[in-house]
Amino acid sequence: EAQVTQNPRYLITVTGKKLTVTCSQNMNHEYMSWYRQDPGLGLRQIYYSMNVEVTDKGDVPEGYKVSRKEKRNFPLILESPSPNQTSLYFCASSLLSLGTEAFFGQGTRLTVV
Amino acid sequence: AQKITQTQPGMFVQEKEAVTLDCTYDTSDPSYGLFWYKQPSSGEMIFLIYQGSYDQQNATEGRYSLNFQKARKSANLVISASQLGDSAMYFCAMREGGDMRFGAGTRLTVKP
Repeated sequence: EAQVTQNPRYLITVTGKKLTVTCSQNMNHEYMSWYRQDPGLGLRQIYYSMNVEVTDKGDVPEGYKVSRKEKRNFPLILESPSPNQTSLYFCASSLLSLGTEAFFGQGTRLTVV
Repeated sequence: AQKITQTQPGMFVQEKEAVTLDCTYDTSDPSYGLFWYKQPSSGEMIFLIYQGSYDQQNATEGRYSLNFQKARKSANLVISASQLGDSAMYFCAMREGGDMRFGAGTRLTVKP
């Protein structure tokens, strides 16, 4: 089954404790992206990657890191999480061309206390 | 800068009626894609419909159609014959290259 898998689905952590949210897709998609969703703001792009070893900042990259060492994986790293990073996070993947839909993961609900 | 605007935070529609969800966008790039996604209360993002900037005809997918007015930079979603299961958040999005931006969303409630 074609899918994007995020882990964990839920995470409560403390300020400053480094964490990684994993994202994996099995569709051989070149394009992968991370978003955060906050009430009233919709989804905002954090980082995206057009291919292996190619990453670019989205609208809200501060406080986040990503890497793309393999085509299927695109982890999101919070080196020193803060309470303002409490949010719902989505990973998505698609083919490179504009006209293809993005497949989304199930989301990761992160709470930083 | 905000590039996608959805001006209706909430909408109500009677079951079996049609409803239009508004979306305007701003770009100077001639090549872009417009998308609509549905997010039910369970939280997943469901792709509904796509319109390319060079497409001459409005996109349609079953009960969904996209009213694309390029000169006005609008890409409104029309849902015909609303069903109770259509109650959800709806997001308009635009992709330019690798940038993908979403609107704030419209919460649609279908009344029986």
